[in-house]
Amino acid sequence: DSGVTQTPKHLITATGQRVTLRCSPRSGDLSVYWYQQSLDQGLQFLIQYYNGEERAKGNILERFSAQQFPDLHSELNLSSLELGDSALYFCASSASTNTQYFGPGTRLTVL
Amino acid sequence: EDQVTQSPEALRLQEGESSSLNCSYTVSGLRGLFWYRQDPGKGPEFLFTLYSAGEEKEKERLKATLTKKESFLHITAPKPEDSATYLCAVSSDGNEKLTFGTGTRLTIIP
Repeated sequence: DSGVTQTPKHLITATGQRVTLRCSPRSGDLSVYWYQQSLDQGLQFLIQYYNGEERAKGNILERFSAQQFPDLHSELNLSSLELGDSALYFCASSASTNTQYFGPGTRLTVL
Repeated sequence: EDQVTQSPEALRLQEGESSSLNCSYTVSGLRGLFWYRQDPGKGPEFLFTLYSAGEEKEKERLKATLTKKESFLHITAPKPEDSATYLCAVSSDGNEKLTFGTGTRLTIIP
């Protein structure tokens, strides 16, 4: 158990819909990262937050957005969903050691 | 742009048969190289962080080494429970994001 929690574990929705994925980092970790893992792309970095502020952006679509709240939990919002958005979404957190610890993931299926 | 290439894509070993997995990387300045283990449908599980060439780390049957261009994950006398996908990732100076390779799928046959 990494100490990072994610909810829900599974999400099934239809094209065009909007969903919210939630992540709670390890106790004391200020950085939260979001990654997408699809069969053909591997693990891809989406976005990083540090203590409530956006710190880095990867190949995140404009339809996707994220935020980190004062209690340090983070949410990833995915809107206007397409079939190609079906993937595993992982959250990771880190402290000053640079090592990222991953949560169990949310499996998103868009029908 | 950071790049990570892992080989082989898949590896089948008999129980007890030692081998090595390779991770070649290109970064502007290495901040860290990371090894993770991932079981199907689960999150990556942290194994090792390596920071500089010549560094080595060990954990049970696994040993990770680092040179200026590549890293190796040596597995000694593996057991069936070592079957998993092993992922290599790097972060570069001024950049905390991880760039991952596509992984090596390891199967240990009893």
